[in-house]
Amino acid sequence: QKEVEQNSGPLSVPEGAIASLNCTYSDRGSQSFFWYRQYSGKSPELIMFIYSNGDKEDGRFTAQLNKASQYVSLLIRDSQPSDSATYLCAARISSGSARQLTFGSGTQLTVLP
Amino acid sequence: SQTIHQWPATLVQPVGSPLSLECTVEGTSNPNLYWYRQAAGRGLQLLFYSVGIGQISSEVPQNLSASRPQDRQFILSSKKLLLSDSGFYLCAWRFDSGYTFGSGTRLTVV
Repeated sequence: QKEVEQNSGPLSVPEGAIASLNCTYSDRGSQSFFWYRQYSGKSPELIMFIYSNGDKEDGRFTAQLNKASQYVSLLIRDSQPSDSATYLCAARISSGSARQLTFGSGTQLTVLP
Repeated sequence: SQTIHQWPATLVQPVGSPLSLECTVEGTSNPNLYWYRQAAGRGLQLLFYSVGIGQISSEVPQNLSASRPQDRQFILSSKKLLLSDSGFYLCAWRFDSGYTFGSGTRLTVV
């Protein structure tokens, strides 16, 4: 069973702090990794993707990938109440001609004003 | 630009009734399309995916079926809904940098 695992939380951080969200995956063949944000009652929206080992930064968000440890993380700097949402980690596997995403169950983040 | 449309937004259906959810994509051709379901407080479960017209792959045997009658149209159906079919149904289109999701259909089976 190819899996992506996340701590379900909830994770609470004060406004302005760094929020750290973690994800592990079991399929060593996974090539790329995605972080989605999902507000309550809404569909997921893509925040970032990462293919290579190391860090990738986009504004207040930094994705980190360590393929040897099969570990992906998302750091949110200067957290804002508007960042309160569920964050979904996903890994892309190959299945025939359609490369699929396998999602974790998500981590619920609350940023306290 | 590419957009993905999904409807209806909400649906309340009795047990045993049929279901048809529709997803259409604009601004691209021959997209890979996916149906996911999200149960309350849970992650996304892949139900079906399609790489082209008439080509459907099922990930989880269940009470649902999918069809792709046109290049940019993907339909999720059921002949008889079960209570366990309740959930948030999401259509997605794959592009190189990830997936774009439709706005979803919240289905409640009563």
